[in-house]
Amino acid sequence: DGGITQSPKYLFRKEGQNVTLSCEQNLNHDAMYWYRQDPGQGLRLIYYSQIVNDFQKGDIAEGYSVSREKKESFPLTVTSAQKNPTAFYLCASRDRGPYNEQFFGPGTRLTVL
Amino acid sequence: AQSVTQLDSQVPVFEEAPVELRCNYSSSVSVYLFWYVQYPNQGLQLLLKYLSGSTLVKSINGFEAEFNKSQTSFHLRKPSVHISDTAEYFCAVSDGDTGGFKTIFGAGTRLFVKA
Repeated sequence: DGGITQSPKYLFRKEGQNVTLSCEQNLNHDAMYWYRQDPGQGLRLIYYSQIVNDFQKGDIAEGYSVSREKKESFPLTVTSAQKNPTAFYLCASRDRGPYNEQFFGPGTRLTVL
Repeated sequence: AQSVTQLDSQVPVFEEAPVELRCNYSSSVSVYLFWYVQYPNQGLQLLLKYLSGSTLVKSINGFEAEFNKSQTSFHLRKPSVHISDTAEYFCAVSDGDTGGFKTIFGAGTRLFVKA
């Protein structure tokens, strides 16, 4: 089955630690996205990538980093510089063209202890 | 820049009653409009989308949305809701004029269906 996988489902981190969230897709989509979701705030765009080896900052990129070395993979690192990292993180992908919908992974819930 | 406003943060409704979730977007020459649904602790799933043509679009589970260009709205409706429709619903717009690589999401509307 084609789709997007995110791992782990739940992640706990101590303050001051970096952590990497995995996102893999087998839909052959060019574009991939990372969103952060907090209660009552909808989805906020962290980073997006239109093509391999290229990515752009979204609205809330501070304290996060990404890489796009393969078309299928778009990992997100939450660094210790992110002041309030506890949130639900969603990865998505989309085929070329603004008329195409985004396909979402199941999400990773990150909790900082 | 494009923006999306969902006018209600929460909508409580009794089972089998009709419901309307409101969505307005900022104007652009060409837009593509989407409604997504999110069940607790899951990712978003596409419910329906408007690309062009008929202004009324329908989903397989009884939802429908109407594109109104003059009012820049894309409200979601269902004539009779079920308990299983309880979820959060997001309206989104993709801007064709600027390449549309980014999709702008509304803040979401939580639909509570009560027995």
